[in-house]
Amino acid sequence: KAGVTQTPRYLIKTRGQQVTLSCSPISGHRSVSWYQQTPGQGLQFLFEYFSETQRNKGNFPGRFSGRQFSNSRSEMNVSTLELGDSALYLCASSLGGARSGANVLTFGAGSRLTVL
Amino acid sequence: DQQVKQNSPSLSVQEGRISILNCDYTNSMFDYFLWYKKYPAEGPTFLISISSIKDKNEDGRFTVFLNKSAKHLSLHIVPSQPGDSAVYFCAASANFGNEKLTFGTGTRLTIIP
Repeated sequence: KAGVTQTPRYLIKTRGQQVTLSCSPISGHRSVSWYQQTPGQGLQFLFEYFSETQRNKGNFPGRFSGRQFSNSRSEMNVSTLELGDSALYLCASSLGGARSGANVLTFGAGSRLTVL
Repeated sequence: DQQVKQNSPSLSVQEGRISILNCDYTNSMFDYFLWYKKYPAEGPTFLISISSIKDKNEDGRFTVFLNKSAKHLSLHIVPSQPGDSAVYFCAASANFGNEKLTFGTGTRLTIIP
């Protein structure tokens, strides 16, 4: 079955602009999570959506937002871009239920954002 | 505040030998732990997990050990193969079934042929 698809794979923006990243989860997965990966920081949790509702949120400023659609596809948006927002943004999907293995995440290849 | 720590940024192991990757955590609320492997230009791939009610979980060449009193877990790979060369991330979650994972900074494993 198809994996997690993220678009675009690469993009370059300038400071002050905004960006929207898209994620299509594995069919049947209802939870979509977003992570930011930067050198030396590992993966940091941004937020998680389940059935179109934000269920968990990390410690990022309000410039980072997201949403989930009825087909479980998700988008994240970063407004007023800063140089420090340059990172690999990873989307992950999971079944989302409270049962064994439900929170094993399947990741996409990521969207690499460069802010100049 | 790094709640999950991987203190070795890199590790080199001879092919066929055992690779041991270590991870420490500070949050007592963590009750589920996972290891992910990441190749360049790909997303992390799930390897193996363990819940806090166990102290060992095995899957083929991969074994994860959990020492709750020391807040320490380790991943053993036996025997190590060239295809195991990748970055390995340790992750933890609180409230079993929670998709919010806290990741370590990763250990780059290089298997020497």
